[in-house]
Amino acid sequence: EVQLLESGGGLVQPGGSLRLSCAASGFTFSSHAMSWVRQAPGKGLEWVSGISGSGGSTYYADSVRGRFTISRDNSKNTLSLQMSSLRADDTAVYYCAKESRASLFVGQNPFDFWGHGTMVTVSS
Amino acid sequence: DIQMTQSPSSLSASVGDRVTITCRASQGISNYLAWYQQKPGKVPKLLIYAASALQSGVPSRFSGSGSGTDFTLTISTLAPEDVATYYCHDYYSAPPTFGQGTKVEIK
Repeated sequence: EVQLLESGGGLVQPGGSLRLSCAASGFTFSSHAMSWVRQAPGKGLEWVSGISGSGGSTYYADSVRGRFTISRDNSKNTLSLQMSSLRADDTAVYYCAKESRASLFVGQNPFDFWGHGTMVTVSS
Repeated sequence: DIQMTQSPSSLSASVGDRVTITCRASQGISNYLAWYQQKPGKVPKLLIYAASALQSGVPSRFSGSGSGTDFTLTISTLAPEDVATYYCHDYYSAPPTFGQGTKVEIK
C-alpha cells in the first residue's frame, strides 16, 4: 500500500525558514518523480516544485524559485522541501504527491497518490 | 507556461442531473489531462487521466473527453457524495498546471 507522510509544518515568522519532509513507502520510490503541491486556505491547488526519480532534475513554480529547494534521499525514501524567505502568501497546506508512472522526467504524469498534507503558517 | 481555464467556478445541480465541467488549455496538450475530486477537508483524488481513462475504483458515472485544448468532465447522474471541488491538471510538460477548480453543490 502506497503511503506518503508529510511532516515539518508549523508556524514561522515572515522571512523565516522551514523544512518539510515526506516519508514514502509501498512503491519503488527512486523510479517515480515526486512533487509538492500546496493549497492556501479556501483556495485551489498550486503546484510548487517537482523532482525526477534520480534527483537530477528539479523544477519550481515562479512564485517559489530561488526561495525553495526540493531534494530527495532515495536511500531513505524521503522527499524534502527546504523553504526560506517565507512570506504570508506561502501559508498553505503542503501536499507531497507521487506521479503515477515510473519516468525519467518530471511533471509528465498525473498524481495518483497524495499525502494528507502539512500546514505551513507564515505570520508574525 | 500552459494556462488552464476551468469553468464554471461553481454549480448547483439536483441529484440525478447530468453535470459537465470544462477545462481549456492555452495551447495544445494532446490528451495529457487529468481530473481530480477534492471533497471538503480531504485530499485530492485522481478520477480521470489521459483525458478519458477512468482511474481504478472510480464510479462509471464519471467520464472525461477531449483532446488538444478543450476537455470535459461529465458526471452522468449526480449523487449526493459527489459534492466536491473538481480540478483539471495538465501534465503535458513541466511545470504542471491546475485549473482554478469547480465547486459542485446539490440544489
